[in-house]
Amino acid sequence: GAVVSQHPSRVICKSGTSVKIECRSLDFQATTMFWYRQFPKKSLMLMATSNEGSKATYEQGVEKDKFLINHASLTLSTLTVTSAHPEDSSFYICSARDTTGSMETQYFGPGTRLLVL
Amino acid sequence: GQNIDQPTEMTATEGAIVQINCTYQTSGFNGLFWYQQHAGEAPTFLSYNVLDGLEEKGRFSSFLSRSKGYSYLLLKELQMKDSASYLCAVMDSNYQLIWGAGTKLIIKP
Repeated sequence: GAVVSQHPSRVICKSGTSVKIECRSLDFQATTMFWYRQFPKKSLMLMATSNEGSKATYEQGVEKDKFLINHASLTLSTLTVTSAHPEDSSFYICSARDTTGSMETQYFGPGTRLLVL
Repeated sequence: GQNIDQPTEMTATEGAIVQINCTYQTSGFNGLFWYQQHAGEAPTFLSYNVLDGLEEKGRFSSFLSRSKGYSYLLLKELQMKDSASYLCAVMDSNYQLIWGAGTKLIIKP
């Protein structure tokens, strides 16, 4: 079954509003979570690395004031798209790193489809 | 429930061919993705299949059989740099991605 969940699965909002997306690791603790954006040509772009208890690390070109990331607990990271614009419409995917086993594994969430009108 | 199955780990020899299988059971189907992920890096898109058949792209090919809930990724002329994890993901009827756990491919000289 799924080990990483995202909420909501899809959201439609008006331009200028803010949208919060949650990413939860369901049966393991994740000190590190990642946020991706999937483009129409299916490629995944890493937006930022979310670290529990510290500031997120943003990739070059990603506005940290626009895409606010909070990793307040070992099982939850949130991505808030502030003052959303139509060009922010996309499929946002999170993943969580599980380091508890003998082999480090990264589990991906089902994605959140954002449509900004 | 929905699930994707793929082998946890595979080993192959440089220059050889390897086939990574993926079977799925999902509520609906809107395409199957293959991604390559090197340790510490973001996944790289390899292929997207929505119709049955074989899609060839250079050394990599991906096959899909929707009736069997089955796909494979075929890697030819293996190179050491192909050592990575290969992720299979299916988009279900709600356009949600269901991810496999990934197959770690080890290439030996």
